[in-house]
Amino acid sequence: GGIITQTPKFLIGQEGQKLTLKCQQNFNHDTMYWYRQDSGKGLRLIYYSITENDLQKGDLSEGYDASREKKSSFSLTVTSAQKNEMAVFLCASSYRAGSDYTFGSGTRLLVI
Amino acid sequence: GQQVQQSPASLVLQEGENAELQCNFSTSLNSMQWFYQRPGGSLVSLFYNPSGTKHSGRLTSTTVIKERRSSLHISSSQTTDSGTYLCALVNTNTGKLTFGDGTVLTVKP
Repeated sequence: GGIITQTPKFLIGQEGQKLTLKCQQNFNHDTMYWYRQDSGKGLRLIYYSITENDLQKGDLSEGYDASREKKSSFSLTVTSAQKNEMAVFLCASSYRAGSDYTFGSGTRLLVI
Repeated sequence: GQQVQQSPASLVLQEGENAELQCNFSTSLNSMQWFYQRPGGSLVSLFYNPSGTKHSGRLTSTTVIKERRSSLHISSSQTTDSGTYLCALVNTNTGKLTFGDGTVLTVKP
């Protein structure tokens, strides 16, 4: 079976710092996604990518960059971490847009 | 307003009781998906259900498009069912998921 791996699992950053989160999948899925989850809330889409080198903005793209370096990997950059920010970032993939999804276990971010 | 509303926000059951979770949409439905999120864990897809009724073990999902609602029924709940249940609208053109805020289920022994 396949797996989707997010690194790091925990990330502590300082205010103003640029932080990069990574996601790898070996399902050979075409589409990959980055979501943000705040405590007690549902997930909100930051960026998604339909294929290698493609990039599409979600509802929450301001303050973030993303890169789909190859089909199996999708990275997310927090361009300037905000003080007291605390959230979980979840990566997901699917064979095509709108089909069944597989999620990673998340990266937990804390900014001090 | 929020496109996806889930109810109840939280639910406490005794083991063996049934649960009914609701999801209501304010926009037209492309498709919808139910997820289970373990405490502090990743999401597990339960049902991809654009319409009608689907069954999986003790779980049943029913989506009624014209009424813009979907439900998740859990029968004979177990303590291991505890966690957060999330529903999401699926845009089948872009793949974007629009989530509700979830129902936190606690099943007591």
